[in-house]
Amino acid sequence: DQQVKQNSPSLSVQEGRISILNCDYTNSMFDYFLWYKKYPAEGPTFLISISSIKDKNEDGRFTVFLNKSAKHLSLHIVPSQPGDSAVYFCAASGNFGNEKLTFGTGTRLTIIP
Amino acid sequence: DAGITQSPRHKVTETGTPVTLRCHQTENHRYMYWYRQDPGHGLRLIHYSYGVKDTDKGEVSDGYSVSRSKTEDFLLTLESATSSQTSVYFCAISVADTQYFGPGTRLTVL
Repeated sequence: DQQVKQNSPSLSVQEGRISILNCDYTNSMFDYFLWYKKYPAEGPTFLISISSIKDKNEDGRFTVFLNKSAKHLSLHIVPSQPGDSAVYFCAASGNFGNEKLTFGTGTRLTIIP
Repeated sequence: DAGITQSPRHKVTETGTPVTLRCHQTENHRYMYWYRQDPGHGLRLIHYSYGVKDTDKGEVSDGYSVSRSKTEDFLLTLESATSSQTSVYFCAISVADTQYFGPGTRLTVL
């Protein structure tokens, strides 16, 4: 039972355009959500997070949107840069970051120069 | 840099042999985690620790045990490795409500 789903295994975006990565979840007890970026042969790197009391969080080129009623979150990257090419994982937790994280299967983002 | 190191970084072993992976943190963070990453599954929690000698099971704990005798070290042991445990293993720590990951250990069980 996949409680966190990333339905797009891959995504290609032109450099300079907006990248939108999507994530859906089924467990209504999740109240904290995170996005990680992963390069090959490295550990996941934390990008941005959002708690369920907010619907948007922004950090530079990265913005995460949360729609609790739809159990959906998205990560927007604008403008997209070649260094953004990586695998992106969304993750969810029931008690901020100290609780175990449930991860999606990842989306491979490729930025086309 | 969250100050997490993992050793070894790569290991090839044979079915039935015991294997221990080490995670070391340079600061005294209370929470530590072991995940495995496999194609089509993302990262899945194996075990986690909320203090010295305090550990609990995660989603995929069968075949694994852990120990934490010091705050800075969290060990993951495969008592008798199987081919299904071929994977990339990541350790993580929790800092201010966010988990930060180590560089990973690639384990191959032949």
